Amino acid sequence: QQPVQSPQAVILREGEDAVINCSSSKALYSVHWYRQKHGEAPVFLMILLKGGEQKGHEKISASFNEKKQQSSLYLTASQLSYSGTYFCGTFSSGSARQLTFGSGTQLTVLP
Amino acid sequence: DGGITQSPKYLFRKEGQNVTLSCEQNLNHDAMYWYRQDPGQGLRLIYYSQIVNDFQKGDIAEGYSVSREKKESFPLTVTSAQKNPTAFYLCASSNPRGGGYQPQHFGDGTRLSIL
Repeated sequence: QQPVQSPQAVILREGEDAVINCSSSKALYSVHWYRQKHGEAPVFLMILLKGGEQKGHEKISASFNEKKQQSSLYLTASQLSYSGTYFCGTFSSGSARQLTFGSGTQLTVLP
Repeated sequence: DGGITQSPKYLFRKEGQNVTLSCEQNLNHDAMYWYRQDPGQGLRLIYYSQIVNDFQKGDIAEGYSVSREKKESFPLTVTSAQKNPTAFYLCASSNPRGGGYQPQHFGDGTRLSIL
């Protein structure tokens, strides 16, 4: 079953912060985050594993709450280059090694 | 540089015609995947392959076929049975040894349209 992402869309001014959420009805082994620019291929951002770890890359970080079967992506001090659609992908019990993607969150950063 | 190459970038299909989308990778990855993306939507899995000469159906396999004769190549055929093939098709690969713990690397996609 597809993970649920929220919000569906968000508009920010440069320098503002944003949070994107991803939740699943299944127990999760890992959560992937990708960013896709319009008409381009998705680009890998990070993977979070069971254990509630938090990872970061520059001003983009994420957390994984295994018990709540949720992950959140945090974008701090947004830059224009952060604009795009963010997808979470989940590996869950019974997924047979398939990555199931959410429907995406469209992020627009304005100057 | 290692990567995934998809061709062609744009493809047009006539009624009743089968078309084949190419996907080649030189990342030495064992696993390869085909996804379909419709406007404003996420990625849906069509087929995947964990090893040469073996592949499994994904969530929306009807009207599609694949082959995996070489590790580097995973072509997708969109058959005439697929009644609504207009979409953006993405090929990806990963090293499956870590299960769900390895990132997927994507090609630049093929945009298929109906004439």
